[in-house]
Amino acid sequence: AQTVTQSQPEMSVQEAETVTLSCTYDTSESNYYLFWYKQPPSRQMILVIRQEAYKQQNATENRFSVNFQKAAKSFSLKISDSQLGDTAMYFCAFTDDFASGSARQLTFGSGTQLTVLP
Amino acid sequence: ETGVTQSPTHLIKTRGQQVTLRCSSQSGHNTVSWYQQALGQGPQFIFQYYREEENGRGNFPPRFSGLQFPNYSSELNVNALELDDSALYLCASSSWDTQYFGPGTRLTVL
Repeated sequence: AQTVTQSQPEMSVQEAETVTLSCTYDTSESNYYLFWYKQPPSRQMILVIRQEAYKQQNATENRFSVNFQKAAKSFSLKISDSQLGDTAMYFCAFTDDFASGSARQLTFGSGTQLTVLP
Repeated sequence: ETGVTQSPTHLIKTRGQQVTLRCSSQSGHNTVSWYQQALGQGPQFIFQYYREEENGRGNFPPRFSGLQFPNYSSELNVNALELDDSALYLCASSSWDTQYFGPGTRLTVL
């Protein structure tokens, strides 16, 4: 079974600074997908960024980027120029590659509460 | 493009009752997944529906059941509610590898 571990329950960062959230995972699959979702107090789970394991290039979405280390099974999220609106719970999640007829469930970590300080 | 919607937003039930939660998938998405998120934890997979058939199930008892309709909307039914069923229930729709979530239904069981 796949597992996802987020070892930082809480983090804080000053506005405009850079912060990195850590995530490790365990799987025997060779191809899979990794995600970061954010969940602000409004509870809506919002997709931040997506990485396909067979792509060596790290994904980037505006101020958000990942450092994907497949051999180490590590998938960290870097937030640059942090903004007050980035305050949220961040979840790392994993799903394996599509196989016909099988459920592609997301396995989530326990989350990191990020607070951006003014 | 309409996103994933869920109803109701909040719900209060008593132990032993039954509840139905509803989800409308994003346009073009044929797969719906349901998750339970207890307070302070990550979401846990309940089950997934693909083209009106249950496509996979997590470690939840049979009193958690669901349906998917021809328009790909979905229902989650929970029978014989227990206090531990109090949680945020999230619905997500997808057409391939990425799931997009609705705003959730907060269920409180007294």
